[in-house]
Amino acid sequence: KNQVEQSPQSLIILEGKNCTLQCNYTVSPFSNLRWYKQDTGRGPVSLTIMTFSENTKSNGRYTATLDADTKQSSLHITASQLSDSASYICVVSEKGYSTLTFGKGTMLLVSP
Amino acid sequence: SAVISQKPSRDICQRGTSLTIQCQVDSQVTMMFWYRQQPGQSLTLIATANQGSEATYESGFVIDKFPISRPNLTFSTLTVSNMSPEDSSIYLCSVEGYSTDTQYFGPGTRLTVL
Repeated sequence: KNQVEQSPQSLIILEGKNCTLQCNYTVSPFSNLRWYKQDTGRGPVSLTIMTFSENTKSNGRYTATLDADTKQSSLHITASQLSDSASYICVVSEKGYSTLTFGKGTMLLVSP
Repeated sequence: SAVISQKPSRDICQRGTSLTIQCQVDSQVTMMFWYRQQPGQSLTLIATANQGSEATYESGFVIDKFPISRPNLTFSTLTVSNMSPEDSSIYLCSVEGYSTDTQYFGPGTRLTVL
């Protein structure tokens, strides 16, 4: 069964600090991995999408990495801001299918 | 990117009633999906809304409970029928475009069943 595991479940950091969120997956065959940001009461918004051949991708202060051999990904947030407080969801796509496997998300709280 | 709107944004309903949620996209899209997100949980796919044919439901979801319409390439509805408190969730519409390899999500409909 395809699974996506995220850690930590929740995280509190001080404004201005960096943090890294982890994602492990078992989806096979792999197509792509996406990180979404979901603000409370809103729909998820795509941050990055990476295919098998991509090791890293940045979107502003967000940098995602992918190790397709170990089936691990990370999302690094630099110089955190209060507006970064949200749930960050790792989503993996199986090759040949439109359906996605979602992680449960990491709830990040950036404290002033 | 695709801009997606949902109506209503939230509703409080009585047990046993039904609610229809609308999803409108600002451009034609091939694939439209309906998800449920229960409190503290991640998203679970309910069904794929197929234009011109019956929706494709995931395991655990049935058409009698969640009838779906998709009359064209920009619009879909999801009905939550005979509601119970366990149906209290956020329901999200999602689309995948012709030339995109990502999914875009609507703002969600927050449903509370009393």
